[in-house]
Amino acid sequence: SYELTQPPSVSVSPGQTASITCSGDKLGDTYACWYQQKPGQSPVLVMYQDNKRPSGIPERFSGSKSGNTATLTISGTQAMDEADYYCQTWDSSTAHVVFGGGTKLTVL
Amino acid sequence: QVQLQDSGPGLVKPSETLSLTCAVSGYFISSFYYWGWIRQSPGKGLEWIGSVYHGGSTFYNASLKSRVTISIDTSKNQFSLKLSSVTAADTAVYYCARQYCSSDSCPGAFDIWGHGTMVTVSS
Repeated sequence: SYELTQPPSVSVSPGQTASITCSGDKLGDTYACWYQQKPGQSPVLVMYQDNKRPSGIPERFSGSKSGNTATLTISGTQAMDEADYYCQTWDSSTAHVVFGGGTKLTVL
Repeated sequence: QVQLQDSGPGLVKPSETLSLTCAVSGYFISSFYYWGWIRQSPGKGLEWIGSVYHGGSTFYNASLKSRVTISIDTSKNQFSLKLSSVTAADTAVYYCARQYCSSDSCPGAFDIWGHGTMVTVSS
């Protein structure tokens, strides 16, 4: 089955830039989106269609994609950004939603 | 403001059927979106269960397909999940969510989520 691969953890100092990657064999042909999930809360969409930011998401969140790797970048990371982040795509060949395994972002 | 309210029993016995409902407010469920169910086992990542369109089109996770039914009731503006023959491995928080649709991305991202219902499978 199709998989999206994320690093299990990323650490960043406050005010610095955090980058979280998501790799998949078919990601170059489909859109990626990203969710932020804080403990005990529902996921929140922070990026869709690779680089579109939903209303209400701070401008410090940005998305990009190169080849089969999508990247969520958080500029000027704040303590409130500490959370789990998941990438997701739609695999049209199997008609499946695919989630990455998640990345725990720690703001040290 | 669009809101999704999921509801259902928090405890289900092994081999029985898990049933959850997601009531949608602030938006007509028969509009141009998919509606999906996602679950998260304790301490684990997100797992897609399936998605449904108001016209009846459904997509299911192949690993669960034999046990899952997702249906939509436009008259009540809600959609439902049934998962049969549950085991302890089905213990999870179950989320309902609206799945974005556009001309070049459909189904796409889950843009609005319910609060989630913790379901424990235990005798």
